[in-house]
Amino acid sequence: DAKTTQPPSMDCAEGRAANLPCNHSTISGNEYVYWYRQIHSQGPQYIIHGLKNNETNEMASLIITEDRKSSTLILPHATLRDTAVYYCIVRVAGGGSNYKLTFGKGTLLTVNP
Amino acid sequence: DGGITQSPKYLFRKEGQNVTLSCEQNLNHDAMYWYRQDPGQGLRLIYYSQIVNDFQKGDIAEGYSVSREKKESFPLTVTSAQKNPTAFYLCASQRRANNQPQHFGDGTRLSIL
Repeated sequence: DAKTTQPPSMDCAEGRAANLPCNHSTISGNEYVYWYRQIHSQGPQYIIHGLKNNETNEMASLIITEDRKSSTLILPHATLRDTAVYYCIVRVAGGGSNYKLTFGKGTLLTVNP
Repeated sequence: DGGITQSPKYLFRKEGQNVTLSCEQNLNHDAMYWYRQDPGQGLRLIYYSQIVNDFQKGDIAEGYSVSREKKESFPLTVTSAQKNPTAFYLCASQRRANNQPQHFGDGTRLSIL
């Protein structure tokens, strides 16, 4: 699976948009970009994923650059409950042990009042 | 509500004792996974199962065992052979289609008495 690079931490004011970047310059054509977040002592929560088109759901938007070498997760109106570690994961669509998720260190997003 | 239920939330093991962690899902997902998370670390895959009555070792299977007798259930036994079992254990499930995300339970924290 492609390696990802994320900033270790970011701050955001409550009510503002949080834009979390992720670099994945070695991504392959059949690899998807997934975003998860983890609040302390809880299981990771799936947020969104995409292959090459921008995606939006009720939680967030995912913007993937045309060359697919980087992406940005956007939380449109951050709340205090969005404070968590956010993980960007690139994973091939395949079977067997390819299913495993490799979490890096992620970005600690702190939403301030 | 559909989801993944892990129990218990906290578990204590005595030396030489086997303990079993429960994972149940009502999402009708085919694949299920067990991960281990140590403080400040990413997730490591212990075992996974893509179908009932079949499972495969992950990266750190030694000292662990699983069964998959029902689609909804994938219990993990931490045996006495696992010398460093203190960790946060996470169960996940996934629909069969290759690009679908894994969804996680809230984890079981295992400690040694």
